[in-house]
Amino acid sequence: GAGVSQSPSNKVTEKGKDVELRCDPISGHTALYWYRQSLGQGLEFLIYFQGNSAPDKSGLPSDRFSAERTGGSVSTLTIQRTQQEDSAVYLCASSSQGLNQPQHFGDGTRLSIL
Amino acid sequence: GESVGLHLPTLSVQEGDNSIINCAYSNSASDYFIWYKQESGKGPQFIIDIRSNMDKRQGQRVTVLLNKTVKHLSLQIAATQPGDSAVYFCAEMTYNQGGKLIFGQGTELSVKP
Repeated sequence: GAGVSQSPSNKVTEKGKDVELRCDPISGHTALYWYRQSLGQGLEFLIYFQGNSAPDKSGLPSDRFSAERTGGSVSTLTIQRTQQEDSAVYLCASSSQGLNQPQHFGDGTRLSIL
Repeated sequence: GESVGLHLPTLSVQEGDNSIINCAYSNSASDYFIWYKQESGKGPQFIIDIRSNMDKRQGQRVTVLLNKTVKHLSLQIAATQPGDSAVYFCAEMTYNQGGKLIFGQGTELSVKP
């Protein structure tokens, strides 16, 4: 079956540019999460969407980061005025409703800021 | 602050041996724990999970043990195979903090044929 799909798989851009990263969750999953993984590190929570509830944005590192989820399905993570420290792999996960359901991850977008 | 960490950054085992990967966590209120396997260039792959009201759970060739007294989590892999070589992460969740997972730094498992 189809898993979590992320695009693009790789993105190289110049410092100061805006980028949009896309996530298609597993069909039927109501919860969607964004994480960031720096080289050789664990994952860092960014934002969490659950159904129609207000998203938990507590992990977003600055106001340059934003995310939306349209129609309860596809999500876009936007980074404005990118900085070199934004270089990382951005991972999306989805899960069924309920906090004790495992989150299933896509393969991420590798973002490189020149 | 709260953290989830691993005792060993690298683990090398012989094919066919059993592997044990350890994880310490600091939040005694954690409700749910997950182990993930991550291969190079891929996203984390779910292996097994356990709720805080349990102390052991078994899957296919894997067992997770939870010791809440000492805040310790372990992943046991039986008859380790070369395909098990990867980085393994533990993660924890506290329900009253929403759905976010807090990840440890990872342990790299290397299986020698």
